[in-house]
Amino acid sequence: AAGVIQSPRHLIKEKRETATLKCYPIPRHDTVYWYQQGPGQDPQFLISFYEKMQSDKGSIPDRFSAQQFSDYHSELNMSSLELGDSALYFCASSLSPTEGRRFFGPGTRLTVL
Amino acid sequence: KQEVTQIPAALSVPEGENLVLNCSFTDSAIYNLQWFRQDPGKGLTSLLLIQSSQREQTSGRLNASLDKSSGRSTLYIAASQPGDSATYLCAVRPHSGYGGSQGNLIFGKGTKLSVKP
Repeated sequence: AAGVIQSPRHLIKEKRETATLKCYPIPRHDTVYWYQQGPGQDPQFLISFYEKMQSDKGSIPDRFSAQQFSDYHSELNMSSLELGDSALYFCASSLSPTEGRRFFGPGTRLTVL
Repeated sequence: KQEVTQIPAALSVPEGENLVLNCSFTDSAIYNLQWFRQDPGKGLTSLLLIQSSQREQTSGRLNASLDKSSGRSTLYIAASQPGDSATYLCAVRPHSGYGGSQGNLIFGKGTKLSVKP
């Protein structure tokens, strides 16, 4: 069965650089969620989209922005990277905002040097 | 504010044992609760989802229960195997009518399980 696809899987950036992470949800899933998991931490919700509109916002820094496109894939744009942004970034999708089960992608490991 | 706690933080058992992982949450106004498995440096694999109106869900050797009124869930793993070694996370989705949001899953910090051959 198709799963959530994230790219790239690994990314190394310098401080103050920008990064773009991509997420391709499971086919027919119209809702996408982004989470950040720091080393040894539990995942923290950043932002979600439903039908290309932002549906909910969590602890996403102002330096980050995201959007969902017409094909339902989503991109997380991160600017002015800081050392503390080093983390695993997960994307999840669901059939709808009300459909409970979230399916997570394998994550993008971002390292900021 | 919803908080999710998982006890124990780590657990080591010999192969073949049955075991229980615990999850508690402070606000019973939840939409559902989901158990995940995470291997080191990997993504989250959804194991079981329990809606707020349900008491338990079963999948193979896994059984998850939910007692919403007491703010507790347990994940029961029968006949544990070395391949079960991973970190198990529970996450609640707050009910949006109670200041929560539909997007947010609130995770516990996980129980790191090690099953020894």
